[in-house]
Amino acid sequence: AQTVTQSQPEMSVQEAETVTLSCTYDTSESDYYLFWYKQPPSRQMILVIRQEAYKQQNATENRFSVNFQKAAKSFSLKISDSQLGDAAMYFCAYRQANTGNQFYFGTGTSLTVIP
Amino acid sequence: KAGVTQTPRYLIKTRGQQVTLSCSPISGHRSVSWYQQTPGQGLQFLFEYFSETQRNKGNFPGRFSGRQFSNSRSEMNVSTLELGDSALYLCASSLSIGSATFDGEQFFGPGTRLTVL
Repeated sequence: AQTVTQSQPEMSVQEAETVTLSCTYDTSESDYYLFWYKQPPSRQMILVIRQEAYKQQNATENRFSVNFQKAAKSFSLKISDSQLGDAAMYFCAYRQANTGNQFYFGTGTSLTVIP
Repeated sequence: KAGVTQTPRYLIKTRGQQVTLSCSPISGHRSVSWYQQTPGQGLQFLFEYFSETQRNKGNFPGRFSGRQFSNSRSEMNVSTLELGDSALYLCASSLSIGSATFDGEQFFGPGTRLTVL
């Protein structure tokens, strides 16, 4: 079974600084998708960024970017110019292609932004 | 376009009872997935329904069941509740057009907080 590991239960960053959240996954498949979701306190989970495994180029969404290392099975999230609103639980998720919507999530990283 | 809605938002039950949770997906979405979120285990996949059929199933006991209606609305049922079933239950919907290139983005609802006493 696929597993997703987030080894940093908690992280903190100064406002306006950059932080990187780590994620590794284990799979024998070659075609899959990776996601980072954000869950603010008592609020809905929302998609931050996604990466298709067949794409070599790292995905970028404004201040959010990923470092996707397929051979190493690593998928880290970099948040630049951190803002107070970035404080949340961040989940890394994996979904195999062509098998429907069965997502495997990591246990999450709680990000604190210090003013 | 309205987002994913879940009812009820909060629920308190006692051990041995059963409970039914409801999820209304985004209009046009055909896939509905359910997750259990607990502090210790994180998010764990329960099952996915697509066009009224269970397409994927996680590793949960048979006490957990679900169904999907023709309008894509889904219900999840837990019978013989146990203390360990206390959790936030999240529903997520996806367009899921069946394309191999589709990214399978899921949109999550606010969840139902179930407390079992």
